[in-house]
Amino acid sequence: GDSVTQTEGQVTVSESKSLIINCTYSATSIAYPNLFWYVRYPGEGLQLLLKVITAGQKGSSRGFEATYNKETTSFHLQKASVQESDSAVYYCALSDLNYAQGLTFGLGTRVSVFP
Amino acid sequence: DMKVTQMPRYLIKRMGENVLLECGQDMSHETMYWYRQDPGLGLQLIYISYDVDSNSEGDIPKGYRVSRKKREHFSLILDSAKTNQTSVYFCASSSGTPNSDYTFGSGTRLLVI
Repeated sequence: GDSVTQTEGQVTVSESKSLIINCTYSATSIAYPNLFWYVRYPGEGLQLLLKVITAGQKGSSRGFEATYNKETTSFHLQKASVQESDSAVYYCALSDLNYAQGLTFGLGTRVSVFP
Repeated sequence: DMKVTQMPRYLIKRMGENVLLECGQDMSHETMYWYRQDPGLGLQLIYISYDVDSNSEGDIPKGYRVSRKKREHFSLILDSAKTNQTSVYFCASSSGTPNSDYTFGSGTRLLVI
């Protein structure tokens, strides 16, 4: 079946430093699945951060960027300078050819930004 | 405003009690989902609904059932709740088409004691 791997369960970073959250994927029914990053801020629900549906393209939102790399099957999330308000849990996810089957999620990466 | 609304936000139930989690959406989406989210396990798919009275098991359906009598409402039912069903439950909806977005609710935090 499909799978999404986030290697870091928790990341701690100082304010104004850069952040990268790794995500790799495997999709069985389609070569180029749709890729998503969702974020869950403390006490809130799951929000779509960004989405990329075309291999090779980059998505961006709220200062975050992620590039769909079909060669390495990766979709890493990056931000050049984090703020304390970026503290949250970030989930990488994919939807494949069976798009109505919903999303396959990674385990999530908890990001803590300290001043 | 496109929204998925979940009720209640927090719920405490005793083991063996029945639990009803409700979800509504205002986007006329055909497809709706229930997930549960546990620390270290990500989000796991419980059930999918393709439309009214058209439901399908997800990856972890055991101990749950669902009901969808109107397109805008999708309920998750736990008959005789167990302590291992303590979790955060998320409802989501999508148009069910290629490249569709998936909109999630704010979640229901359920504690079974």
